[in-house]
Formats: sequence, C-alpha cells, structure tokens
Amino acid sequence: GEDVEQSLFLSVREGDSSVINCTYTDSSSTYLYWYKQEPGAGLQLLTYIFSNMDMKQDQRLTVLLNKKDKHLSLRIADTQTGDSAIYFCAEKGSGGYNKLIFGAGTRLAVHP
Amino acid sequence: DAGVIQSPRHEVTEMGQEVTLRCKPISGHNSLFWYRQTMMRGLELLIYFNNNVPIDDSGMPEDRFSAKMPNASFSTLKIQPSEPRDSAVYFCASSLSPQEGSSYNEQFFGPGTRLTVL
Repeated sequence: GEDVEQSLFLSVREGDSSVINCTYTDSSSTYLYWYKQEPGAGLQLLTYIFSNMDMKQDQRLTVLLNKKDKHLSLRIADTQTGDSAIYFCAEKGSGGYNKLIFGAGTRLAVHP
Repeated sequence: DAGVIQSPRHEVTEMGQEVTLRCKPISGHNSLFWYRQTMMRGLELLIYFNNNVPIDDSGMPEDRFSAKMPNASFSTLKIQPSEPRDSAVYFCASSLSPQEGSSYNEQFFGPGTRLTVL
C-alpha cells in the first residue's frame, strides 16, 4: 500500500542547516511535496518536485529526490526561528484523482 | 480569493451532541478533502469529493461520521453522536483536478476547526 514515513522531531540551532528526511513506497508517484504547518494554521505547500528530477532549489530550500531508494529530503539553509513548524512530506496517491498521502510530520524546533 | 473557509473555528460540545462542520472551497476548485489531525494519529484523510461526488470515504472512522457536498461551493462534515475521542482539528482542503502528467495539483487547506467533545 501507499505509505510515507518521516522522523517526528528535529532540533537545530539558528543559522545552521536543517535536513528533514522522508521515505515513500509508491514508485509510480509523479509528484512529491513538502507542506509546512505553522502553529494554529492549516498546511501550506512549501515546495514540490517532479519525479523525473533529482534536485530542486528554491532560495533557502533544496529538495533532493532519490527514486531508487524512494527517499526525499528537504534542506533549509540558514534556518531561522520563523522556520519552526511541522513539515509534512507527501506523495500523490494512485488513481486519477489528486489524493495526497501525507507522512506524520516532522516538528522542527529552531533554538538560538 | 479568500481561500478555503471553514466554520466554526472552534467548537466545544458535550458527548452525545450532534456536530456539524462547514467548508467553502476555493471558487473553481472541483476536488474537496476532509482531514482530521490529532497528536496520536497525525493527519488522516477522512473523505474526498470530486465534482461533488464522494470518491473515497474509507477514512471515515465510523457510521457516526457523514459528509455531504450538495454543491460545488459547500460541504459539511457531521458527527452524530459525538464522543470525546472525536476531539481533534478538522481540516478541509480543495484543489483542481489534475490534468494527468501536467499538474502538481496543490491542495489548499483551510484554517481548521478545533473540536473539543467533553
């Protein structure tokens, strides 16, 4: 079945890089996503990567995709306190609809 | 656009009462999703609709839960009777149906309804 796994917690010092990892099971996923949830709010799409790409960079964010190992990572450079949030990895579900399969979320804590 | 609108934002009720959560998707979106988020279980997909038709309700926990989408601009999630274990944050999200192979089909989430059942 479809499943997405990620570690639950990550603590980093302000200014350091954060790396959040995720593994997924559906090798046919066309898109993989990172969503961010700030306290008291809904999820917002942070970035996504198409499955024929290995890497995508967007300002401080770098997404790496290893299709062979079904591993996705999100690197945040120069992590700031405003980056403290829960980060969800997601893959597009199978079938013709845009159902997403979400991981449990990684809670990122940034400390001075 | 105002984004996905959910009401109420907070609901406190007593066990056994009926609870109705409401969602207005983004205009023009034809897919709508209901999720539940708890500390124990994380984010769970309850049901989703495409063009107002329920596609997959396998995530609905029990018969006490029901969802409707009478038109493209409104959906409800009803719990009757409610129980303390239903306490959670309920999210509604909407998106456009993908054109296969060409769309990354972003889901837009509402702010959620925090439900507390005493």
